Amino acid sequence: NAGVTQTPKFRILKIGQSMTLQCAQDMNHNYMYWYRQDPGMGLKLIYYSVGAGITDKGEVPNGYNVSRSTTEDFPLRLELAAPSQTSVYFCASSASSGSGYTFGSGTRLTVV
Amino acid sequence: AQSVTQLDSQVPVFEEAPVELRCNYSSSVSVYLFWYVQYPNQGLQLLLKYLSGSTLVESINGFEAEFNKSQTSFHLRKPSVHISDTAEYFCAVRSMEYGNKLVFGAGTILRVKS
Repeated sequence: NAGVTQTPKFRILKIGQSMTLQCAQDMNHNYMYWYRQDPGMGLKLIYYSVGAGITDKGEVPNGYNVSRSTTEDFPLRLELAAPSQTSVYFCASSASSGSGYTFGSGTRLTVV
Repeated sequence: AQSVTQLDSQVPVFEEAPVELRCNYSSSVSVYLFWYVQYPNQGLQLLLKYLSGSTLVESINGFEAEFNKSQTSFHLRKPSVHISDTAEYFCAVRSMEYGNKLVFGAGTILRVKS
């Protein structure tokens, strides 16, 4: 019973590099989300998806892109990494509008 | 404007003492309320939630929270804390006013001392 799986767990990027953070869930949840967590700031929503083929911007989408080709996968793409994107990234999923979220264990990204 | 306020960034407390972590939200419509816990170097885990019905909700490890609509609060309490409760706690709100997505507070770090 894997739940939400994120890879990698840690990554160091150089400024201007690109990478994709992977997120997969095996609970057949329609809703998926990407958050970033910065100290003292809580979690900020980057992008979300309400189903395969449907994505939308959250509160802090600049510098990121997402796709949702399947129900299970929701990758987050950083095209030109910047130091401001140093953060811990969490993927989450939920079954319905009234349920809580199931979170992955996070990806700690450092941009130098 | 959406807002979830956790009034304390850190709460130090001695083991076996009671604790209250405060959470206030701003919303004029019906809300779903959640508390999540994050242990060091881990993801967030759902601690408890209020969707409807009884305003007092409990978790399996002794925490409870009470939804107070008039004060727009959802404070988390535990009558006697353990060292293992040391973690960061996040209050979150979900409502149509927030696009039906979870909005998180900034978090409260609970430090339990022996």
